[in-house]
Amino acid sequence: AQTVTQSQPEMSVQEAETVTLSCTYDTSESDYYLFWYKQPPSRQMILVIRQEAYKQQNATENRFSVNFQKAAKSFSLKISDSQLGDAAMYFCAVMNRDDKIIFGKGTRLHILP
Amino acid sequence: DSGVTQTPKHLITATGQRVTLRCSPRSGDLSVYWYQQSLDQGLQFLIQYYNGEERAKGNILERFSAQQFPDLHSELNLSSLELGDSALYFCASSVAPQGTSTDTQYFGPGTRLTVL
Repeated sequence: AQTVTQSQPEMSVQEAETVTLSCTYDTSESDYYLFWYKQPPSRQMILVIRQEAYKQQNATENRFSVNFQKAAKSFSLKISDSQLGDAAMYFCAVMNRDDKIIFGKGTRLHILP
Repeated sequence: DSGVTQTPKHLITATGQRVTLRCSPRSGDLSVYWYQQSLDQGLQFLIQYYNGEERAKGNILERFSAQQFPDLHSELNLSSLELGDSALYFCASSVAPQGTSTDTQYFGPGTRLTVL
């Protein structure tokens, strides 16, 4: 069975600083996808970044980048130049080719002005 | 705005009742997914439809059912409601089934269900 662990229930970062959110996962598949979703107070789920497991290059999306360590089954999210609008709950997720996606419990990120 | 719409935004009902949640996917998306987000269970995948056919099933209770119509909108039916069914229900859509090159899911704003 797949599991996703986000070991940091809450984190805080000063505005304009960099923060890294941790995620580890477990899957028996060799081909899968990884995602980070953001859920702001509006409760909508917003895709932040995705990574295909077969790609060695870490995905980046503007100020968001990941550190994907396949052997360690680790998929951390780095947010650079943190902005007040980044305050949200962040969910890490893994999806196999069987179409089922498993989410972690989330990390609540606070941005300090 | 993801392009996925869900109605209603809020729903308050009593135990034992039945409700229907509606989702319209993004234009061109053939896959629809339903999720339940509750405080104790986190975000859980319920079920997926692709082009009208059920494709994958997650932790969906037998009291719950879903379908996808020819116009690709989907409905999630929840019956014999219990207090524990109170949650935020999300719909998401993608162009194709997962595992293809266009498998990013786009989430709707959710329907907040409160069972009293």
